[in-house]
Amino acid sequence: DSGVTQTPKHLITATGQRVTLRCSPRSGDLSVYWYQQSLDQGLQFLIHYYNGEERAKGNILERFSAQQFPDLHSELNLSSLELGDSALYFCASSVEGSGKLFFGSGTQLSVL
Amino acid sequence: QQPVQSPQAVILREGEDAVINCSSSKALYSVHWYRQKHGEAPIFLMILLKGGEQKGHDKISASFNEKKQQSSLYLTASQLSYSGTYFCGTEPSYSGAGSYQLTFGKGTKLSVIP
Repeated sequence: DSGVTQTPKHLITATGQRVTLRCSPRSGDLSVYWYQQSLDQGLQFLIHYYNGEERAKGNILERFSAQQFPDLHSELNLSSLELGDSALYFCASSVEGSGKLFFGSGTQLSVL
Repeated sequence: QQPVQSPQAVILREGEDAVINCSSSKALYSVHWYRQKHGEAPIFLMILLKGGEQKGHDKISASFNEKKQQSSLYLTASQLSYSGTYFCGTEPSYSGAGSYQLTFGKGTKLSVIP
């Protein structure tokens, strides 16, 4: 158990819908990263938050947004969902400066 | 740009050795290695910072040649527990040291059989 909690584990929805994925980092970790894993692209970096502030954006679509709250949990919002958004979404947290990412167990999103 | 890993897949018998390579077209600040078992989250193995160091624990080690922008992961005397997909994650030099916004390769699937 990495100490990073992601909910829900599975999510099935329809095209055009909006969903929210939730992540609670390890106690004490201020950094939260979101990654998307698909069979053809592998692990893709989406966005990084540190202590409530956005630090960097990767390959994140404009339909996707994220935020980190004062209690350090983070949410990834995916809207106007398309079939191609079906993937495993991981959240990871780290201690600042350590470089060691602790991944949650992921949310498997299926868009039908 | 995504680093390129080779081979894409490898099958080993217990006790055999393997090398997984990771190559980038960009100057790198660091290379990170993770292992992911089927249906599980990636697990951190090690980080290599520019400086050409070699790191390792147990029978898994890695090297980083910053001039060639390449890293290699060495697995010696493989065990059944080594099975999984190995990912290298790279951090380019321009990203700001220690940002750890990694770009991962597509992975190398390692299968260790008895």
